[in-house]
Amino acid sequence: QVQLQESGPGLVKPSQTLSLTCIVSGGSIKSDTYYWSWIRQPAGKGLEWVGRIYSSGYTDYNPSLKSRVTLSLDTSKNQFSLSLRSVTATDTAVYYCARASGWVFENGMDVWGQGTTVTVSS
Amino acid sequence: QSVLTQPPSASGTPGQRVTISCSGSSSNIGSNTANWYQQLPGTAPKLLIYSTNKRPSGVPDRFSGSKSDTSASLAISGLQSEDEADYYCATWDDSLSGLYVFGVGTKVTVL
Repeated sequence: QVQLQESGPGLVKPSQTLSLTCIVSGGSIKSDTYYWSWIRQPAGKGLEWVGRIYSSGYTDYNPSLKSRVTLSLDTSKNQFSLSLRSVTATDTAVYYCARASGWVFENGMDVWGQGTTVTVSS
Repeated sequence: QSVLTQPPSASGTPGQRVTISCSGSSSNIGSNTANWYQQLPGTAPKLLIYSTNKRPSGVPDRFSGSKSDTSASLAISGLQSEDEADYYCATWDDSLSGLYVFGVGTKVTVL
């Protein structure tokens, strides 16, 4: 079965770039059935969708983050990545990667990583 | 501030039925199907309902979903202690360039 695992620094300084990777195992990231997403959750708060990337490299981003976010794929390593620029303390959160299907995610996000905590602090 | 409104909390005794509402608008729930996620403390969310009323394999039939106009609902019948968790509705919003939106979440407590 497909499993996702996030990795990356747990601490990022303000104004720097947050970079995370999601390693996909048990399935191919090149599948044309799925979209690969990032979601974040500040401590004690709700979920916020960051963006998605398709096997072709097509991306959609949350408009509130669009100017600072880039998602990318590395098919040779079967992984996808998140880059969030110019971070501030408000970007401190648990970051999850997830798999979704359906153009408007009508089939939901059925596989999630365990999440990784990122703190923005000097 | 989410575009999907959920009650902050709901509760019931074991065996009772609990319903959680999710209110949206014509650009989200009114145009697209709803998904529901369950998040147990300290864990990643889990897909509970997709396409408004479908259950993934392994999800008990005590969980059911429905939709009417711009609102969706999740019902938990025969409430069990292990159902104590946060529940989030979610759907695609067609406004702007499109994005996936989550509700603010509802904490279900089993009394």
